[in-house]
Amino acid sequence: DVKVTQSSRYLVKRTGEKVFLECVQDMDHENMFWYRQDPGLGLRLIYFSYDVKMKEKGDIPEGYSVSREKKERFSLILESASTNQTSMYLCASSLPPRVDTQYFGPGTRLTVL
Amino acid sequence: LAKTTQPISMDSYEGQEVNITCSHNNIATNDYITWYQQFPSQGPRFIIQGYKTKVTNEVASLFIPADRKSSTLSLPRVSLSDTAVYYCLVVRGNTGFQKLVFGTGTRLLVSP
Repeated sequence: DVKVTQSSRYLVKRTGEKVFLECVQDMDHENMFWYRQDPGLGLRLIYFSYDVKMKEKGDIPEGYSVSREKKERFSLILESASTNQTSMYLCASSLPPRVDTQYFGPGTRLTVL
Repeated sequence: LAKTTQPISMDSYEGQEVNITCSHNNIATNDYITWYQQFPSQGPRFIIQGYKTKVTNEVASLFIPADRKSSTLSLPRVSLSDTAVYYCLVVRGNTGFQKLVFGTGTRLLVSP
């Protein structure tokens, strides 16, 4: 069974902290994605990576960075967490060339106090 | 960019057929129509994809008229476990990620 796992289901951090969200997939997919999901706003793409060390900004990259050192792992970094980054964060992967058939992880609900 | 419009919410009862329609008036020739299902506290799950006419799998059917300006996800004989948010995604499958817009989805509530 294909799998995308995320390091934490729930996370509570304080304003100004550096936060790392980890995502691992076991499907050998080149494409990986980070989204955030907020009520009434649906899923919004933060960053996309199409290969190791390759990344592209999505719709809302401000305040975030990413790291892709290995094919199976894609990390989202909040350099200095703020309260408006409280959200559900979802990681996904897909097999190129397709971007429309994605496999999602269970999500990390991050609360920034 | 193919913008999609779906109802915000729908209610149904167990055993009924549910049809969720997605409008995508400016769909492009190479765009595919993909539906995802998301249960509470989980990530979205791919359920069905089509280009034209009808597609059926073990979970749902997808009806796409000839003009492709809309599509209908059909869930036969829903159960309580079909309560979820359903997202319609219209994008060229091998396009750049910039065209990925999931929208806000349709929240389906199935009651006993």
